[in-house]
Amino acid sequence: DQQVKQNSPSLSVQEGRISILNCDYTNSMFDYFLWYKKYPAEGPTFLISISSIKDKNEDGRFTVFLNKSAKHLSLHIVPSQPGDSAVYFCAASARGGSQGNLIFGKGTKLSVKP
Amino acid sequence: NAGVMQNPRHLVRRRGQEARLRCSPMKGHSHVYWYRQLPEEGLKFMVYLQKENIIDESGMPKERFSAEFPKEGPSILRIQQVVRGDSAAYFCASSPQAPGGYTFGSGTRLTVV
Repeated sequence: DQQVKQNSPSLSVQEGRISILNCDYTNSMFDYFLWYKKYPAEGPTFLISISSIKDKNEDGRFTVFLNKSAKHLSLHIVPSQPGDSAVYFCAASARGGSQGNLIFGKGTKLSVKP
Repeated sequence: NAGVMQNPRHLVRRRGQEARLRCSPMKGHSHVYWYRQLPEEGLKFMVYLQKENIIDESGMPKERFSAEFPKEGPSILRIQQVVRGDSAAYFCASSPQAPGGYTFGSGTRLTVV
């Protein structure tokens, strides 16, 4: 029973264009959402987060959008760069993200082509 | 200014042996979390510890797995009598008490032969 779903295993984008990574969740108790980026043989790196009281959070080239009614969030990367090529994980928490476990999706592998 | 340190990076064990994975949290972080990533899967929560306390072990298999975070020294994830299905990447994360404060280590890749 997957509570956090990333339905696209992979995504290929041209350098300079927008990358849009999607994530759906089923548990209405989730109130905090995070995106992590992971390179091979390394641990995940925190990228950006959003609380359920917001619908958008922006940090440089990265923007996360949250649609609570649709239980959907997305990560936008503009402009995409070759160094953004990695696996991106969506994660959710039911405790405001401060403590307790995170529920991760299976990840989307982003390839940004020069 | 070390991040979360995990060792060893790679660990090979024969079926039936014990595996010990170590995690030293970031300086100032008192919360430690262990996650497991099976091939082609996302990270799955295993256990959340504070010093000398297990706070949430709802993701730990009922048998053969145990974790501790002693007053002194690193957190240890221990797997007794390993089986092939235990082969995975095990990640440790630490945080202070702040949302989004997870910092992950580089993981330990356990291979059971």
